[in-house]
Amino acid sequence: GENVEQHPSTLSVQEGDSAVIKCTYSDSASNYFPWYKQELGKRPQLIIDIRSNVGEKKDQRIAVTLNKTAKHFSLHITETQPEDSAVYFCAADGGSNYKLTFGKGTLLTVNP
Amino acid sequence: EPEVTQTPSHQVTQMGQEVILRCVPISNHLYFYWYRQILGQKVEFLVSFYNNEISEKSEIFDDQFSVERPDGSNFTLKIRSTKLEDSAMYFCATGLAGEDTQYFGPGTRLTVL
Repeated sequence: GENVEQHPSTLSVQEGDSAVIKCTYSDSASNYFPWYKQELGKRPQLIIDIRSNVGEKKDQRIAVTLNKTAKHFSLHITETQPEDSAVYFCAADGGSNYKLTFGKGTLLTVNP
Repeated sequence: EPEVTQTPSHQVTQMGQEVILRCVPISNHLYFYWYRQILGQKVEFLVSFYNNEISEKSEIFDDQFSVERPDGSNFTLKIRSTKLEDSAMYFCATGLAGEDTQYFGPGTRLTVL
């Protein structure tokens, strides 16, 4: 089955800096890669996703890049703000419409 | 904006008891999922459900677990005989037919004593 590795497990940045979180996946059949933000005690919220037919997608301060050859994808947050502090999870679908396999998460702390 | 809802928000039960967790999907969503998250760990897939049958399940989803859509609106997860290690946050997620995106509910925190 699909295996998703996520790094780093914790990331601390100063407000205004950029943050990058990286994930690798194992199943070449995967073609959908969402990123979720989870604040403490809350539900995972989809913040951006990318499909295998594109290499990059951007939404305001958030961007995701995908390298299918290398089987890795990354989340980029620019001009970070304290409210960006949360746990971020990457996921991959393993080529299935019926499940997502998640990474272990990255605790992002943005220091004011 | 419509959201997935779940009840109860917190369930405390004794080991060996049965629990039923409930989810109300977003209207028109036809794909349903259950995930669990043990405290401080990653989200783990349990089961997906489409067209009134299980589409896929993980090794976690053993004979103690079952899902159903009893009345065309609610989507339930039943754990027949809870174990201590079943203590976790259980998230329901739903999605539209033909789309990849999964929308998560707020979760039910299950505590097994």
